[in-house]
Amino acid sequence: DIQMTQSPSTLSASVGDRVTITCRASQSISAWLAWYQQKPGKVPKLLIYKASSLESGVPSRFSGSGSGTQFTLTISSLQPDDFATYYCQQYDDYPWTFGQGTKVEIK
Amino acid sequence: QVQLQESGPGLVKPSETLSLTCTVSGVSMSSYYWNYIRQSAGKGLEWIGRIYTSGTTNYNPSLKSRVTMSVDTSKNQFSLRLSSVTAADTAVYFCARGAGGYFDSWGQGTLVTVSS
Repeated sequence: DIQMTQSPSTLSASVGDRVTITCRASQSISAWLAWYQQKPGKVPKLLIYKASSLESGVPSRFSGSGSGTQFTLTISSLQPDDFATYYCQQYDDYPWTFGQGTKVEIK
Repeated sequence: QVQLQESGPGLVKPSETLSLTCTVSGVSMSSYYWNYIRQSAGKGLEWIGRIYTSGTTNYNPSLKSRVTMSVDTSKNQFSLRLSSVTAADTAVYFCARGAGGYFDSWGQGTLVTVSS
């Protein structure tokens, strides 16, 4: 299985901060990577697919980049609604696998 | 707008079979893959498998020997059966629409507890 490792596991930030989350794949996955946001007790929400494509309706402050084994999710200016846990997911090879999550909390 | 709704027992006894159904509304099931994903405190998010409307399936190898998925397009439903469950199968189970290999629409999830 392809292992997805996110860093950091927890991130403390303030409203207005620029936030970057990293996801590393154990082998190259080209650009077959998605990012999700999940709030407590809620369903994961797709933010980014194919590493950098913004899902319809997702605010433009979210952006994704990377290819191969290293990827980043950036929130350009953190908003109160963005405090949540973020997951990356690879879909280059079966089984599809997720990172362990990065919790963005209020500083 | 696509909506997915899981249904099934919330409590399953060890060694028995977990059965869930996902009902899809607001969209034709054609042209998409339909997935089950589970989330537990211990293992995070885990993809279980997917099924196309033709019946073609792909399963997570770690669960493959115990998983069966089926689809009934006349009812706009797809289903999961997971046999020989143990406490390790306790999780929130989601159904989700697959657009390629990522998941763009999710059901609200259903907690399944394995306990006697």
